[in-house]
Amino acid sequence: KAGVTQTPRYLIKTRGQQVTLSCSPISGHRSVSWYQQTPGQGLQFLFEYFSETQRNKGNFPGRFSGRQFSNSRSEMNVSTLELGDSALYLCASSRGETQYFGPGTRLLVL
Amino acid sequence: AQKVTQAQTEISVVEKEDVTLDCVYETRDTTYYLFWYKQPPSGELVFLIRRNSFDEQNEISGRYSWNFQKSTSSFNFTITASQVVDSAVYFCALKGGTSYGKLTFGQGTILTVHP
Repeated sequence: KAGVTQTPRYLIKTRGQQVTLSCSPISGHRSVSWYQQTPGQGLQFLFEYFSETQRNKGNFPGRFSGRQFSNSRSEMNVSTLELGDSALYLCASSRGETQYFGPGTRLLVL
Repeated sequence: AQKVTQAQTEISVVEKEDVTLDCVYETRDTTYYLFWYKQPPSGELVFLIRRNSFDEQNEISGRYSWNFQKSTSSFNFTITASQVVDSAVYFCALKGGTSYGKLTFGQGTILTVHP
């Protein structure tokens, strides 16, 4: 079974731009969660989607948004990028309680 | 609020030594789930083990074992006969039974296994 895939793997943007990251879950998994990982704050939960509905949201500003499609694929969008948004963005899919993670997207904001 | 604390920032051992990673958690949920993940330099978080709050049986899986003690809110993870390939950052995580999709992570423990 294929694992969680994320695209792109690396991204360089400048302040003020926006970015869209994509996540394809493991086949049969309907829940997708997103996390931000930085050296200072560690791993922080962004949001979770299930059947195209956001069920949970972390403590991030409204510039961070997401969506999920009918095939369970998910995207997250960050608008008006700030230097502090530079991070590894990880998505995870699950069918039960255990989350399986993708390789992440490394975003660098200049 | 939920909280996970990994007091060990870095651990360095020599190959074949046993190593235990400590994890202490806080939660008000009566049902919850505890996890250990491994993050090699490539960045991907690899799932290792999961423990449910209602099952305190401790187990061994290959070189991995864990000690879950509800009384002390601890969920420690042991690698027996460590190998160089075990070098990575290890994260303990907690999910509340009523929380959709949200894992709360500890700060991670950097494990370096020297040959």
